[in-house]
Amino acid sequence: KQEVTQIPAALSVPEGENLVLNCSFTDSAIYNLQWFRQDPGKGLTSLLLIQSSQREQTSGRLNASLDKSSGRSTLYIAASQPGDSATYLCAVGEDSSYKLIFGSGTRLLVRP
Amino acid sequence: DAMVIQNPRYQVTQFGKPVTLSCSQTLNHNVMYWYQQKSSQAPKLLFHYYDKDFNNEADTPDNFQSRRPNTSFCFLDIRSPGLGDAAMYLCATSRGASLSSYEQYFGPGTRLTVT
Repeated sequence: KQEVTQIPAALSVPEGENLVLNCSFTDSAIYNLQWFRQDPGKGLTSLLLIQSSQREQTSGRLNASLDKSSGRSTLYIAASQPGDSATYLCAVGEDSSYKLIFGSGTRLLVRP
Repeated sequence: DAMVIQNPRYQVTQFGKPVTLSCSQTLNHNVMYWYQQKSSQAPKLLFHYYDKDFNNEADTPDNFQSRRPNTSFCFLDIRSPGLGDAAMYLCATSRGASLSSYEQYFGPGTRLTVT
């Protein structure tokens, strides 16, 4: 059974710092991996989608990498801003099932 | 803008009183999903539809039902809500037309309170 783990559960950094959020999964037979942002009491906003054949995706200050063989993905946020404060969730898509398995998220606080 | 819409955003119901949550989409996606998310936890998939084909997760309680009358709409019915059903309910869609189109798009969620 696929399990997705995100460490740390919470992170507090000063504004301007570059940071890395980690995601690991137990079964490397994934179809894709998706990173989401969730603000308190809100729905999920898709940030980046990496297909299993890809190694990384970039969008603005965000860069996500995928290493299937080791069961890891990282989300790199450059020059963090207070507006980046949110919970970041990663989710893996299982082969041929259209389903996502989510991690519990990393709660990020960027201090002004 | 094309999007996933959930109504209402906040719903209060009484213990045991049936409640229906609504989701609509303008993306014309084939797949629609319902997730339950409790505080500080990962979203948990309840069920999903591929077109009209219903797929229930093995551990979804019988108390939860769903309907998809057409491509655009999907409903979550909770027949007899208990206190443990208080949560955020998230609707999502994906194109699903090919294996390269699994990206999921989420609505803003409905926060359910059970009194």
